[in-house]
Amino acid sequence: NAGVTQTPKFQVLKTGQSMTLQCAQDMNHNSMYWYRQDPGMGLRLIYYSASEGTTDKGEVPNGYNVSRLNKREFSLRLESAAPSQTSVYFCASSERTLRAFFGQGTRLTVV
Amino acid sequence: KNQVEQSPQSLIILEGKNCTLQCNYTVSPFSNLRWYKQDTGRGPVSLTIMTFSENTKSNGRYTATLDADTKQSSLHITASQLSDSASYICVVSAKPGGGSQGNLIFGKGTKLSVKP
Repeated sequence: NAGVTQTPKFQVLKTGQSMTLQCAQDMNHNSMYWYRQDPGMGLRLIYYSASEGTTDKGEVPNGYNVSRLNKREFSLRLESAAPSQTSVYFCASSERTLRAFFGQGTRLTVV
Repeated sequence: KNQVEQSPQSLIILEGKNCTLQCNYTVSPFSNLRWYKQDTGRGPVSLTIMTFSENTKSNGRYTATLDADTKQSSLHITASQLSDSASYICVVSAKPGGGSQGNLIFGKGTKLSVKP
């Protein structure tokens, strides 16, 4: 049982480049989330999707877009990366607001 | 403002000793409180979830308590092991319907180091 799978695990981008972080879950959960984790701060919600076909902004959505491709997959796109987006990104899924399962994270560096 | 405060920021203990981590929150309305363990370089993993009516929950050597009146929770680790070295994150969920479904408020975590 893979749980939540994120790709890639590591990425280095130049300022202005774009990229998409992929996330897939195999637990048939309705809700999926994207968080970023920065040193000295708690995880902060970027975007979430309560169900297939819906997405909503979280606490820090600026500079990001998301797509809920189907029930399994929820991708996060950086259209024009900035150094301030250097962070560790976590995807998570859950059923309603019960236990959330997290992926292994993507460590992104923007230079 | 909804907030979750954890203490201490970091803690070093010897293997075999017990320790207690604290979490104070000001989230309202309250739905549930979770404790997660995050190993270095990994995603958080759920340890316990407690709703308003629960005041204690155990998961092996981990025991979480919740006082909804004072809005405090603690995570007690018994007979610590080297593998307990990790960050422990307190997360409070606001009641769905009272806000967005993505309404999880994360603490900054307590970094625990267990030394031999």
